[in-house]
Amino acid sequence: DVKVTQSSRYLVKRTGEKVFLECVQDMDHENMFWYRQDPGLGLRLIYFSYDVKMKEKGDIPEGYSVSREKKERFSLILESASTNQTSMYLCASIARETQYFGPGTRLLVL
Amino acid sequence: SQQGEEDPQALSIQEGENATMNCSYKTSINNLQWYRQNSGRGLVHLILIRSNEREKHSGRLRVTLDTSKKSSSLLITASRAADTASYFCATRAGGYNKLIFGAGTRLAVHP
Repeated sequence: DVKVTQSSRYLVKRTGEKVFLECVQDMDHENMFWYRQDPGLGLRLIYFSYDVKMKEKGDIPEGYSVSREKKERFSLILESASTNQTSMYLCASIARETQYFGPGTRLLVL
Repeated sequence: SQQGEEDPQALSIQEGENATMNCSYKTSINNLQWYRQNSGRGLVHLILIRSNEREKHSGRLRVTLDTSKKSSSLLITASRAADTASYFCATRAGGYNKLIFGAGTRLAVHP
């Protein structure tokens, strides 16, 4: 079974802090994705990566950056967290057109 | 930008009844997928239907696709309380396996 793990289920940070969200997949998938999920808005793509050190902006990249130094790990970085980044963050990798999701990180920025 | 729009936003039924959810999208697609999300968890893939297919079954799930109307439906037959979840459609259009998700339908199945 494909396994996608995220470093934290719940996270509380203060405005202005630098926040790292980690995602690891164990199936050697090339493509990985970061989404945020907000009520009534569904999932919105922040960034994706199609290979090591390769990244592409999604629909809402502002305020975020990513890092992919190893194939199995894709990190989402909030350089200076703001209250409007309070959300559920979901990581996914893909195999044969199917996306496999991690359990999500619920981030609260105070 | 949202490609898929699910309808209804919320659905409440009794165990044993069928649940039907609809999805409409805007542009041409390669495939359409349905995912399920239990409360506060990640999404789980349910079924994929390609643009050249009209209907697909998986257990108690039946998916239809009408490319002329740019719409799809997900039918869950003989629903169970454990089917309570949010259901999302997602469309793939273009490269890099990017998916665009709708806002989802919240299904509540009451015992």
